[in-house]
Amino acid sequence: AAGVIQSPRHLIKEKRETATLKCYPIPRHDTVYWYQQGPGQDPQFLISFYEKMQSDKGSIPDRFSAQQFSDYHSELNMSSLELGDSALYFCASSLRRGGLGDTQYFGPGTRLTVL
Amino acid sequence: AQKVTQAQTEISVVEKEDVTLDCVYETRDTTYYLFWYKQPPSGELVFLIRRNSFDEQNEISGRYSWNFQKSTSSFNFTITASQVVDSAVYFCALRNVTGAGTASKLTFGTGTRLQVTL
Repeated sequence: AAGVIQSPRHLIKEKRETATLKCYPIPRHDTVYWYQQGPGQDPQFLISFYEKMQSDKGSIPDRFSAQQFSDYHSELNMSSLELGDSALYFCASSLRRGGLGDTQYFGPGTRLTVL
Repeated sequence: AQKVTQAQTEISVVEKEDVTLDCVYETRDTTYYLFWYKQPPSGELVFLIRRNSFDEQNEISGRYSWNFQKSTSSFNFTITASQVVDSAVYFCALRNVTGAGTASKLTFGTGTRLQVTL
């Protein structure tokens, strides 16, 4: 079965640079979530999109922005990168089915290292 | 506010032992969902199970079983006859129910690292 695809898998950036992470949800899934997992920590919710509209927002820095496109893929844009942004970034997707319970399936993650 | 507590930071067992991972949650919602995810050393998050708050039936899947007790707000996970391949960090997560047009987040516990040795 097709899974969530994330690219790139690894990314190394310098401080103050920008980065764009891409997420391709499971086919027919209409909802995308972004999570950030620091070393030794649990995943923290950043932002979600349902049917291309921002749905829920967590502890996402103002330096970060995201969107979901017409083909349902999503991009997380990160600017003015800081050392503390080094983390594993997960994208998850789900099928909302009108608001009933859904399961979030996670991609393999993008490991971002800021030097 | 929602909260998930996994009090066991690390557990070490010898292969073939049974092990139970504890999960206690807090929520004001009457309807919610509970999940377990596995994160092996390779880093991906693998979905294991979802349980609805209105369904307290325990579940068994091969060597895995889950015990959901609403009265104690617990959703514990047992691995029977553990194997080295079970070595991973296991996360318990909670999600409340929302209406159409929203996509609510998962609130994770801090995870339990399970080490299975020969």
